[in-house]
Formats: sequence, structure tokens, C-alpha cells
Amino acid sequence: DQQVKQNSPSLSVQEGRISILNCDYTNSMFDYFLWYKKYPAEGPTFLISISSIKDKNEDGRFTVFLNKSAKHLSLHIVPSQPGDSAVYFCAAMATSGTYKYIFGTGTRLKVLA
Amino acid sequence: DVKVTQSSRYLVKRTGEKVFLECVQDMDHENMFWYRQDPGLGLRLIYFSYDVKMKEKGDIPEGYSVSREKKERFSLILESASTNQTSMYLCASSLTGEGYTFGSGTRLTVV
Repeated sequence: DQQVKQNSPSLSVQEGRISILNCDYTNSMFDYFLWYKKYPAEGPTFLISISSIKDKNEDGRFTVFLNKSAKHLSLHIVPSQPGDSAVYFCAAMATSGTYKYIFGTGTRLKVLA
Repeated sequence: DVKVTQSSRYLVKRTGEKVFLECVQDMDHENMFWYRQDPGLGLRLIYFSYDVKMKEKGDIPEGYSVSREKKERFSLILESASTNQTSMYLCASSLTGEGYTFGSGTRLTVV
């Protein structure tokens, strides 16, 4: 059973516009969330995180929003750039349990120049 | 910066071979992980380790084993490689409660 879901396998956005990547989770014990970016033939790199005590976290062009009641988080990239084209994974962890992240299936973002 | 090094970027092995994938991290992280990445399936956890000589099964351990004799090194072993183990393998390490640092990955092809 997939506890962390990214229902959009791919997304295309025009350069300069906003990219919104979504992630849903089912386990109410999850209280820490990460987003990773992955280029082909490279390992994932950490992008941004959010704790369940917050509903928003910003880092430059990247903002993560958390809606605990809906068990939903989203990553906003504004403005999108061609270099943002990559696969994005969300990951969730229950800090009260084993320190193990559960990853979503990923969304491939393509930013069109 | 933490560095996680995977010994090979690309490997081609024959069906039935025993395959070793090596991973070394240089920041004294207690936790180490092996994932495989397949299209449409995301990152799936194979095995992880919280300490030297300790290991726990992840979601898809069948056909794999691991070894952690030293804190910095976590090896993934394919006992008898099969074509359905063709994949991108990713090693990661972390301090407890923190995010993972991933290696660059090993693209394994089993023919």
C-alpha cells in the first residue's frame, strides 16, 4: 500500500510560470516531510523540508505547503527555470517511529524554454 | 559536505552472478540505506542499517542481502543476479532524524 503518493507522473510548465507539484500521504503519524530533486544518472539531492508544526516553508524560489487535515503537501517553484527540469520526490517520516523516510513515486517536471 | 560514494556508476552483469554494490560515507552517519529506483515505482527501500552489524529489511529485500562491518561502509549483495534486478541503485546515509544524503547511483544491467 503506497503511503506517499504523487499522482501526477509528469508535468510541463512554461519557463517563468509557477510549477506546482503535489503529494498526498495516508499515515497520520507522518510529521516531517522532504522534497528531493533528481537529475538523470545522479542521486537525489535535498531541496526543502517542512515539519508538521508549520504549514509553509520557503527557500528562495521554492515553497512547500502542508495541509495536515487533508494529508497533502505541495511544492511551488516560482519562477520555473529550464534547469528545474528533473524528477521530484516527496518523502515523509514519522519521527516517533523508525527514522525511515517513505518516498513517493516521483513527478517528472519539464520546464519549457 | 557529506559525501556518499558508490563504487560504480555503471555495471553490467550476467544472470546468476553474485554482485556486490559498495557504498561509503565520510561523515560518521549512523544510518545507511539502499534503494532502487524504477520508472513509475519511485524509490523503494531494499535494506537499511542503524548501526554497525545491524540491518533491517525494507520493502523489497527478496534476492538481496547487505553487510555493514564498518560504520562508513554499507554493501548491497545480489546473491544470484536476475534480469528483474536491472535498475538504478541508490545508497543514502543520514544522522538520526535528519534528511538523507544520496550517492550518485549505480545503474546495474543484468543480461
